[in-house]
Amino acid sequence: RKEVEQDPGPFNVPEGATVAFNCTYSNSASQSFFWYRQDCRKEPKLLMSVYSSGNEDGRFTAQLNRASQYISLLIRDSKLSDSATYLCVVIAYNNNDMRFGAGTRLTVKP
Amino acid sequence: DVKVTQSSRYLVKRTGEKVFLECVQDMDHENMFWYRQDPGLGLRLIYFSYDVKMKEKGDIPEGYSVSREKKERFSLILESASTNQTSMYLCASSLKAYEQFFGPGTRLTVL
Repeated sequence: RKEVEQDPGPFNVPEGATVAFNCTYSNSASQSFFWYRQDCRKEPKLLMSVYSSGNEDGRFTAQLNRASQYISLLIRDSKLSDSATYLCVVIAYNNNDMRFGAGTRLTVKP
Repeated sequence: DVKVTQSSRYLVKRTGEKVFLECVQDMDHENMFWYRQDPGLGLRLIYFSYDVKMKEKGDIPEGYSVSREKKERFSLILESASTNQTSMYLCASSLKAYEQFFGPGTRLTVL
């Protein structure tokens, strides 16, 4: 079993749709969680952190479910520019063991 | 803005060649990382470094070595390239473990 698993997609949604991705992790000692965004043929960039209480940044909402060991990313009112691959990142207790998911590809169509 | 640069965007080498991939960051970050990214496997850590002349193995160090002689520069070396090392190689740097800033990547093809 992979340490961090994501549905690879692709998720194809129309503009304006709401879409959600999940990411499951196997290490119960994981402490820190993040979402990165990677555009086609570009490097990954930090999108947002995921806090225990959940957090929102504009159209993006991230949530953590420790009991079930998954994090989620919700995108409301999808834009064409949201098309990218979304990588979840899980860091274990010592903050040095960073694990990336393989990514979920999103395509927003007009 | 943090800038992480990599020496080449595309590289083609032959089996058995020695390959050097260079990475330079301009933000005085202590931490530097080398990953490879393959379809369906995500980012896998090859080596990382928390200080000059210091290196630690990641998850897949076999067939690779690294060098960090200066704080801003972290080099990845393939001693004898093989076809299964064809991949996208990404360098990253950070002050904290999670805020990693990535370079543009080097797409290496080994024939």
